[in-house]
Amino acid sequence: DAGITQSPRHKVTETGTPVTLRCHQTENHRYMYWYRQDPGHGLRLIHYSYGVKDTDKGEVSDGYSVSRSKTEDFLLTLESATSSQTSVYFCAISGEAGVVRETQYFGPGTRLLVL
Amino acid sequence: AQSVTQPDIHITVSEGASLELRCNYSYGATPYLFWYVQSPGQGLQLLLKYFSGDTLVQGIKGFEAEFKRSQSSFNLRKPSVHWSDAAEYFCAVGVPPGKLIFGTGTRLQVFP
Repeated sequence: DAGITQSPRHKVTETGTPVTLRCHQTENHRYMYWYRQDPGHGLRLIHYSYGVKDTDKGEVSDGYSVSRSKTEDFLLTLESATSSQTSVYFCAISGEAGVVRETQYFGPGTRLLVL
Repeated sequence: AQSVTQPDIHITVSEGASLELRCNYSYGATPYLFWYVQSPGQGLQLLLKYFSGDTLVQGIKGFEAEFKRSQSSFNLRKPSVHWSDAAEYFCAVGVPPGKLIFGTGTRLQVFP
């Protein structure tokens, strides 16, 4: 299994509270991704990173920001959590820059509940 | 726009029966296609992928998929399902610069 950990694994928070989720990898892969999974929607890309300090938006980026100061860590921040951000969040990593066919490896997920 | 459609939300089969999960994609260029499986409470695991060559792709756990360009399909098959195959299955297409567009998933239930 690829060395990907996510923390926390479960979190309950209140509307308006800032929340930061962490993804940590030990594979030294360049690409990292944040997805959210919701019933009826599958997985949707929030943000991704193609290197340290290099990030870009995915299809559902509103209300989220990311940072990557080290190769191994990719942080997802909800500046002011809303109930619509209740979801399961997955981090993924990929080995080759810009190679579409490269396999993405997924972390175990973080279940977030915003009350 | 790129998209993936999995028309079956939920499929139920008996153990030992054959299985086919449907996937249709929309993509303007040669597609890179993936099937992932997600067991309850787990992350996603790659079953197989296609990006060129033989249109019949073999994967892990006895799964295979066939790429049919004329039908824009990449259906997943298994000749004999085991109870441990109960899970959710996701089809995805890879788009530059290394992103995945997922379908909405098909939940497989296996009866003994």
